Amino acid sequence: NFMLTQPHSVSESPGKTVTISCTRSSGSIASTYVQWYQQRPGSSPTTVIYENNQRLSGVPDRFSGSIDTSSNSASLTISGLETQDEADYYCQSYDTTTRVFGGGTKLTVL
Amino acid sequence: EVQLLESGGGLAQPGGSLRLSCAASGFTFSNYAMSWVRKAPGKGLECVSAISGSGAGTYFAESVKGRFAISRDNPSNTLYLHMNSLRAEDTAVYYCAKEWYSSGYPASLDYWGHGTPVTVSS
Repeated sequence: NFMLTQPHSVSESPGKTVTISCTRSSGSIASTYVQWYQQRPGSSPTTVIYENNQRLSGVPDRFSGSIDTSSNSASLTISGLETQDEADYYCQSYDTTTRVFGGGTKLTVL
Repeated sequence: EVQLLESGGGLAQPGGSLRLSCAASGFTFSNYAMSWVRKAPGKGLECVSAISGSGAGTYFAESVKGRFAISRDNPSNTLYLHMNSLRAEDTAVYYCAKEWYSSGYPASLDYWGHGTPVTVSS
């Protein structure tokens, strides 16, 4: 089994760009897809990125996903930050026997 | 429009049972795997169980193996989570989620329900 490690929190100002990392503990980050989910306070999760870098229909192109094999990590980048982007963000991946979520990153837009 | 509506949550005693339901609409239910994901207070997301579109393949997190069961009724477009031997640590909001693929692998979720809360306490 493996773990996905995310920073506990990040903060940035409106209009700026923020990147949230997700590091895989063992096995290659490129061996399976990484997804990103957003959960605003008091709401259910929604999918923002699937299969490393694909935006779900309706997700603004301010959201982008990538993977970096050198650091064995995935990243979610949000540009042109808006106050409504303030939420918890979770990465998720899997292998043949398990499904793993990262611990979540609280994004504060201040 | 994909819609997922969970029900069945509530208060249960330690050692008790609950059955959660998820009514799906807006897509061909039998063509897609489905998952149950929970969020406990102060903790992150955890996929507790998943089932393939046909119902032949299932997944359970170690934390619930042997206590929870998952099933689906494709003709009525309904997903179930049968929760037995409940513990305080099962207290969480339980979300039903649709997956991208029929088999459940790759494990990728696209649409989520609004969740149903489960509290396990005496």
